[in-house]
Amino acid sequence: NAGVMQNPRHLVRRRGQEARLRCSPMKGHSHVYWYRQLPEEGLKFMVYLQKENIIDESGMPKERFSAEFPKEGPSILRIQQVVRGDSAAYFCASSPPAATYEQYFGPGTRLTVT
Amino acid sequence: QKEVEQNSGPLSVPEGAIASLNCTYSDRVSQSFFWYRQYSGKSPELIMSIYSNGDKEDGRFTAQLNKASQYVSLLIRDSQPSDSATYLCAVNMGGGTSYGKLTFGQGTILTVHP
Repeated sequence: NAGVMQNPRHLVRRRGQEARLRCSPMKGHSHVYWYRQLPEEGLKFMVYLQKENIIDESGMPKERFSAEFPKEGPSILRIQQVVRGDSAAYFCASSPPAATYEQYFGPGTRLTVT
Repeated sequence: QKEVEQNSGPLSVPEGAIASLNCTYSDRVSQSFFWYRQYSGKSPELIMSIYSNGDKEDGRFTAQLNKASQYVSLLIRDSQPSDSATYLCAVNMGGGTSYGKLTFGQGTILTVHP
């Protein structure tokens, strides 16, 4: 049973470019969460999605960041016009529909903005 | 006051000893509590979940929850060098199990020396 998959694992972008991070949840999981871990900081919640719905985006920066989880395909976290402060590890987690409290994390995408 | 606070580290214990990790949380209505282990450069790995007051044991790990004191702990018995990692306390502060947003503590670095 494959775990949560994220790609790319490493992403380098120049300031002003767009970054697209992808997440495929574990089989049977329909809830997806995105977290960000800045260097020397803890994990911070960004957004919680179900298929075609954003449930909670209280942790998303107001500008440049968006997320989606379409009916078909992976969840996408999109960062427009990246800045150096966006450099971080972005983790996706998923949970099954019956229990939204046990979350399993993917390997993460390390974003570096140059 | 931080929403989820862990005892300051780093914590160093000899091989074979008991490692004790502590966590307090601010939201009294929190219902779900988790411990994650994160090796350097890797993603968080769920190792324990606890929902009711008391102890929950899984192998060498024991989680303890005291909702009246808003306190959750993790004991690692017979500590091994492979247990050396950052341990993250996470709390579902939504007041119920319907919401998946996890709030993480800053982590405690554990080192088990031979």
